[in-house]
Amino acid sequence: EVQLQESGPGLVKPSQSLSLTCSVTGYSITSNYWGWIRKFPGNKMEWIGHISYSGSTSYNPSLKSRISITRDTSKNQFFLQLNSVTTEDTATYYCARWRFGVPGVMDAWGQGASVTVSS
Amino acid sequence: DVQMTQSPSYLAASPGESVSISCKASKSISNYLAWYQQKPGEAYKLLIYSGSTLQSGTPSRFSGSGSGTDFTLTIRSLEPEDFGLYYCQQYYEKPLTFGSGTKLEIK
Repeated sequence: EVQLQESGPGLVKPSQSLSLTCSVTGYSITSNYWGWIRKFPGNKMEWIGHISYSGSTSYNPSLKSRISITRDTSKNQFFLQLNSVTTEDTATYYCARWRFGVPGVMDAWGQGASVTVSS
Repeated sequence: DVQMTQSPSYLAASPGESVSISCKASKSISNYLAWYQQKPGEAYKLLIYSGSTLQSGTPSRFSGSGSGTDFTLTIRSLEPEDFGLYYCQQYYEKPLTFGSGTKLEIK
C-alpha cells in the first residue's frame, strides 16, 4: 500500500523560501505522477504542480515564477520549494499521487504539513 | 482557469437520510470531475472520478452524476462515518481546480 508523508518546517519568515519533502513508501516515484496541493485557512484548495515519472514538471501558472518541484529517486522522495513567501502562502500542504490512467485525479494523499508564514 | 462552484457549503443530515452536493463548472469539462472526502486528521480519500466511476473501496451508497458543467454527488442512507469535508475537482485542463468544499455534519 502506498503511503505519503510530508515533512518540513512549520514556520517560515516572509520573503524566505519554503521547502517541503514528500516521502513515499510502497510505490516507486519513477512510476506515475506526483503532485503538491495546498489548502488555505477557510478551506480553499489550490493545485501547485506535479512531477512525472520521468522528472518532467508542470506548475500552476499563478505560482510558476516562485516554485520548483524536484525529486530524489534514490530516496523515493520529491520536494517542493516555494520562494519569496508571504503570509498568503500560509496553508496546509499536501503531496499526492495521481491515479494511474486518469491524469489529474489523486488517489493517494499525505496527511498534510501545516506551514505558517510569519515574522 | 475553470472555476468550480460547489454548494451548499454546509449540510447537516441524520443517519439514513440522503444528501446531494452540487458542483458547477464555469465551462464544459465533459466528465473530467472527481470527488474527494476529507476527515479531520485523515488523508484525503478519492471517492469518484470520471464524474460517476466509484474508486475502489468507495461504498455503493455514494454516487456521482452529471457531465458538461453540472455535477452532483449523492450519498444515500447516510452513515455516521460519512461526516467530513467534500470537494469536487476538475481535471479537464490545467490548472487543476477545486470547488470550495462542503462540510457534512451528521446530526
